[in-house]
Amino acid sequence: DAKTTQPTSMDCAEGRAANLPCNHSTISGNEYVYWYRQIHSQGPQYIIHGLKNNETNEMASLIITEDRKSSTLILPHATLRDTAVYYCIIGANNLFFGTGTRLTVIP
Amino acid sequence: GAGVSQTPSNKVTEKGKYVELRCDPISGHTALYWYRQSLGQGPEFLIYFQGTGAADDSGLPNDRFFAVRPEGSVSTLKIQRTERGDSAVYLCASSPTAGRFGYTFGSGTRLTVV
Repeated sequence: DAKTTQPTSMDCAEGRAANLPCNHSTISGNEYVYWYRQIHSQGPQYIIHGLKNNETNEMASLIITEDRKSSTLILPHATLRDTAVYYCIIGANNLFFGTGTRLTVIP
Repeated sequence: GAGVSQTPSNKVTEKGKYVELRCDPISGHTALYWYRQSLGQGPEFLIYFQGTGAADDSGLPNDRFFAVRPEGSVSTLKIQRTERGDSAVYLCASSPTAGRFGYTFGSGTRLTVV
């Protein structure tokens, strides 16, 4: 029951900013936007989440549009270790993953 | 513990057998979630607990799957009469409480039904 749309794959040059878009036009008022990533053979790793304000932490920034129907995850200086599948999820008490965006950071 | 611990890390079982998968959440986390992940797919929600009770079990695929969390900490996912289609990585996650917190995932149990 994924309620988000993400590109299947993206490439980014090492050292550049990676901007990963996500559409979530059916988001409801109490649902947060979460971002996770998964590196091969590991469990998903929490990155960041937000409700309506933009958020920043040591890993990334999250930009949420004013109408909350889309968001962008920004990795400011991508490294090779950021190559992973990135999941954008909206939810309240439990989260439903889609198939995510496979980000490849290129040397 | 420091993170979410899942045991065993790998389990091979024969079709028709019963299996139990264990999850030790982060100490003090009241919400616990089970997902399963097939190759090339995102994690699929199965069930989540808030404390000892199952708050949402709508993702359990059928009545062969059952999960418990009797004391509000460790949880066990139980699969009866396993089928080859049950082969997947079973992931557990915990969070301080349900809603508005990020989850911490374990490394998963890879179940193979032969």
